[in-house]
Amino acid sequence: TQLLEQSPQFLSIQEGENLTVYCNSSSVFSSLQWYRQEPGEGPVLLVTVVTGGEVKKLKRLTFQFGDARKDSSLHITAAQPGDTGLYLCAGVGGGSNYKLTFGKGTLLTVNP
Amino acid sequence: SQTIHQWPATLVQPVGSPLSLECTVEGTSNPNLYWYRQAAGRGLQLLFYSVGIGQISSEVPQNLSASRPQDRQFILSSKKLLLSDSGFYLCAWGQGDMRPLHFGNGTRLTVT
Repeated sequence: TQLLEQSPQFLSIQEGENLTVYCNSSSVFSSLQWYRQEPGEGPVLLVTVVTGGEVKKLKRLTFQFGDARKDSSLHITAAQPGDTGLYLCAGVGGGSNYKLTFGKGTLLTVNP
Repeated sequence: SQTIHQWPATLVQPVGSPLSLECTVEGTSNPNLYWYRQAAGRGLQLLFYSVGIGQISSEVPQNLSASRPQDRQFILSSKKLLLSDSGFYLCAWGQGDMRPLHFGNGTRLTVT
């Protein structure tokens, strides 16, 4: 069974601070996706990373896929209250390209 | 454009009662369909997925079942609910392999 460990589980910071959340596994994934979920809603895709070592930027968010395709990180620069939410990573692999394995998420609160 | 509808949004059911949650997708054909459960706003647990009409794969043994009577309809059922079935149920669709998932807004189920 493939597992994705996300850290930290909870993060509370002030507006304007930078932060990094991590997604780690002992398994190799074909690709890895990051989602953001707000209370009472379904997760929404932020980015997909496919190539080992890949870096993608989405405004103030920077996503990196590890060289060995076992881990990923999300860095947010100058966090804003609108960044508050549950950040989930999800990996594709394990012999099936139809199933996503989700981590437990990082709950981010950005205080004004 | 594609849309996904999931209902009801909230549901309170007594222990031992039956359950039927419905999910429909519009604007696409032959989607992969998924049921996830999320406990306490944390990670998503895959319950069932389907790659075609009548094709259901179960990921977790439990008293829930799923059916796909039509191409874009996915139903989650139970004959007798348990207290442990409480949670946030999310339906999602994806197209092809390694593509991101698109989630509905979920059903908050409380079993009393």
